[in-house]
Amino acid sequence: KNQVEQSPQSLIILEGKNCTLQCNYTVSPFSNLRWYKQDTGRGPVSLTIMTFSENTKSNGRYTATLDADTKQSSLHITASQLSDSASYICVVSARTNAGKSTFGDGTTLTVKP
Amino acid sequence: DADVTQTPRNRITKTGKRIMLECSQTKGHDRMYWYRQDPGLGLQLIYYSFDVKDINKGEISDGYSVSRQAQAKFSLSLESAIPNQTALYFCATSGPPKDRGTSSYNEQFFGPGTRLTVL
Repeated sequence: KNQVEQSPQSLIILEGKNCTLQCNYTVSPFSNLRWYKQDTGRGPVSLTIMTFSENTKSNGRYTATLDADTKQSSLHITASQLSDSASYICVVSARTNAGKSTFGDGTTLTVKP
Repeated sequence: DADVTQTPRNRITKTGKRIMLECSQTKGHDRMYWYRQDPGLGLQLIYYSFDVKDINKGEISDGYSVSRQAQAKFSLSLESAIPNQTALYFCATSGPPKDRGTSSYNEQFFGPGTRLTVL
């Protein structure tokens, strides 16, 4: 069964600090991995997309890494801001006709002043 | 204007009532999806459509039905709502897969969500 597991479930950091969120997956055959940011009560918004041949992708202060051998990804946030407080969702798609996606449960990040 | 819109944004209804949630998009995408999100859990796929007249069941389609009236519109119906269908519902769209090296990807764009409460 395809699964995506994220850790930690929640995280509290002080403004200006860095943090790293983890994503482990068992989706096969692997096609791509996406990180989304979801503000409370809003729809998810795409941060990064990585395919099999890519092992790092940046979007401003967000940097995602992918290790396809160990089936792990991380999302690193540098110099956190209050607006980074949100849920971060890891989504992995399979290389099938439907390109079916499996969503992780998300990591809730709270940035405090 | 938002690319993907959902109506209503909030709805409270009673057990047994029929409910329809609407989704419209101006992105010109062929693919549309309906997801459900429960507190603290990941999004679960209810139904998806890759084109008008194409309807496919997702992980949790029981108790739901959909209609793809046009390329830009995809509606979700609860024929007889029950309390455990209380959740956030998201519509999403995507274009055709894009190639990148030996892999492909298709980015999904989500609507703002509908908060449904069934009493």
